[in-house]
Amino acid sequence: EVQLVESGGGLVKPGGSLRLSCAASGFTFSSYSMNWVRQAPGKGLEWVSSISTSSGYIYYADSVKGRFTISRDNAKNSLYLQMNSLRAEDTALYYCARDDPRTRAFDIWGQGTMVTVSS
Amino acid sequence: SYVLTQPPSVSVAPGQTARITCGGNNIGGNGVHWYQQKPGQAPVLVVYDDSDRPSGIPERFSGSTSGNTATLTISRVEAGDEADYYCQVWNSSSDHYVFGTGTKVTVL
Repeated sequence: EVQLVESGGGLVKPGGSLRLSCAASGFTFSSYSMNWVRQAPGKGLEWVSSISTSSGYIYYADSVKGRFTISRDNAKNSLYLQMNSLRAEDTALYYCARDDPRTRAFDIWGQGTMVTVSS
Repeated sequence: SYVLTQPPSVSVAPGQTARITCGGNNIGGNGVHWYQQKPGQAPVLVVYDDSDRPSGIPERFSGSTSGNTATLTISRVEAGDEADYYCQVWNSSSDHYVFGTGTKVTVL
């Protein structure tokens, strides 16, 4: 079964750091670009970051550039998001999503991990 | 920055047709994708590349684009179609993905 499972969310103080992980299974992880998408409580979807198959291309939303770092380990079938200098507005459910290489649609999503930034 | 605008809500009676629009500058030049998100669940891709359906998605879901507007059409609406729907494109000018503002579909 094709599956993405996120972990690492939690409660963190403003200015703190957190590292999210996304474990992939059921497909050849190294063949797909991957993404992080977040959704603040009661709000819409916001794309956060993308990483290509060999990490050669990395993109960030303006709202997180300079604070978040996306990475991947193809040997471990895992995607990561290092989040530093966290702000209250980063509070959200964070999803990882697989990127269809032909269409660039997000064809597989995880169930998300919640990040709460509060003092 | 590139913005995709959707109506906040659409209401439709069972068996009728729901149309959800997504407006963006020259959106017809991009591949538009649509996602369905039910409460408490992750989004699910229902239409990709303007008008194609992933396997397992009912034929009742269809998409089209024209000029600055993309449209997701849900025919013969069922109670189970009640959800939030989002459009999405890849904006090559900024190397950013962009999601629409989202539309809540209510089945009366």
